[in-house]
Amino acid sequence: ETGVTQTPRHLVMGMTNKKSLKCEQHLGHNAMYWYKQSAKKPLELMFVYSLEERVENNSVPSRFSPECPNSSHLFLHLHTLQPEDSALYLCASSQDWTERGNTIYFGEGSWLTVV
Amino acid sequence: KQEVTQIPAALSVPEGENLVLNCSFTDSAIYNLQWFRQDPGKGLTSLLLIQSSQREQTSGRLNASLDKSSGRSTLYIAASQPGDSATYLCAVRGRSGSEKLVFGKGTKLTVNP
Repeated sequence: ETGVTQTPRHLVMGMTNKKSLKCEQHLGHNAMYWYKQSAKKPLELMFVYSLEERVENNSVPSRFSPECPNSSHLFLHLHTLQPEDSALYLCASSQDWTERGNTIYFGEGSWLTVV
Repeated sequence: KQEVTQIPAALSVPEGENLVLNCSFTDSAIYNLQWFRQDPGKGLTSLLLIQSSQREQTSGRLNASLDKSSGRSTLYIAASQPGDSATYLCAVRGRSGSEKLVFGKGTKLTVNP
């Protein structure tokens, strides 16, 4: 089993739908992240959670709502998205958010298409 | 604001060639620099992590160097193989402010058999 698992791998949703992306890490890490990867743009950090508390929110629109029920699970709830939100959403984890030397581990991503 | 640039955006080489990928960053006050590999439609895999006090790191056929004062890093791949074909991303972590990694757009490498 891989260290960071994301489901679903592919999601197509209408602009009025509500869906969720799920991430689970099996590495015993304390920090989890959501990144967005759009075509021809660098990876953008969306949210950071440390020990289930949100520690960073990078000016992300409220139509994206994260949830971290425990240190090994992270969700991204999606509501009334726009076509420009279509992207690869990557979840990641690291041992400790405050330890900057830690390696960060990524999941395989969830491809989201908004129609 | 930190900006990371990777040149070239794409590179195609024959199998067996040694190659260098470049990464530059605008703010030299970094804590570390990391190189990642991303296969098409997949997540990122960490290749090498260089702390700001280090000059280089090696793993197998990969060697990454860091020149913090000039804001540059290179990833050297020796004896390239078709399996090395992927997008290579560089990311820096700042010394002050938020802990987030700032990524470049990547270099898409194709190694032809």
